[in-house]
Amino acid sequence: DAGVTQSPTHLIKTRGQHVTLRCSPISGHKSVSWYQQVLGQGPQFIFQYYEKEERGRGNFPDRFSARQFPNYSSELNVNALLLGDSALYLCASSLAGAGTEAFFGQGTRLTVV
Amino acid sequence: GESVGLHLPTLSVQEGDNSIINCAYSNSASDYFIWYKQESGKGPQFIIDIRSNMDKRQGQRVTVLLNKTVKHLSLQIAATQPGDSAVYFCAEILRGADGLTFGKGTHLIIQP
Repeated sequence: DAGVTQSPTHLIKTRGQHVTLRCSPISGHKSVSWYQQVLGQGPQFIFQYYEKEERGRGNFPDRFSARQFPNYSSELNVNALLLGDSALYLCASSLAGAGTEAFFGQGTRLTVV
Repeated sequence: GESVGLHLPTLSVQEGDNSIINCAYSNSASDYFIWYKQESGKGPQFIIDIRSNMDKRQGQRVTVLLNKTVKHLSLQIAATQPGDSAVYFCAEILRGADGLTFGKGTHLIIQP
């Protein structure tokens, strides 16, 4: 069975550009969450989507947005990239959202130069 | 600030010994806790979880203990193996919240 898949695996962008990261959850999982992990720290919660609706948002600026599609896959968009946005972006899927087991993908390593 | 924190950033143990990784949390509204293992270059891997109405839960070679009185969580790994080398995170979900709150992590190093 395929786990959580994320694309691309690595990405280099220039300050001010826009980026779209993609995530496909485990088959049958309806909830997708996004996390940002800066080197040496634990992941920080950005968004959670369940049944295509936003259910939670962490403390991130409006430059960060996301959506979930009818097939439960998800995109994370970041506008006007800053150097500080360089991080590993992780997607987690779960059956029913918060309070259930969350399984992570391998992440997308974003480098902003 | 962070609700979840770890006591030690690095833990070194001999292969075959038992490991205990500790985690403190400060929010009594925390409802659900998960331990994750993260190897270099990979996403966090689910190890074991525990709900706030439980004190102990066991898995294969791992045990999680929850002490709500002192807001402390621990992960015990029995008979540590080289493959256990990784950074271990505890994470919590506050009652009514939607995302996991992670601590900084403990780097477990296995000595041969």
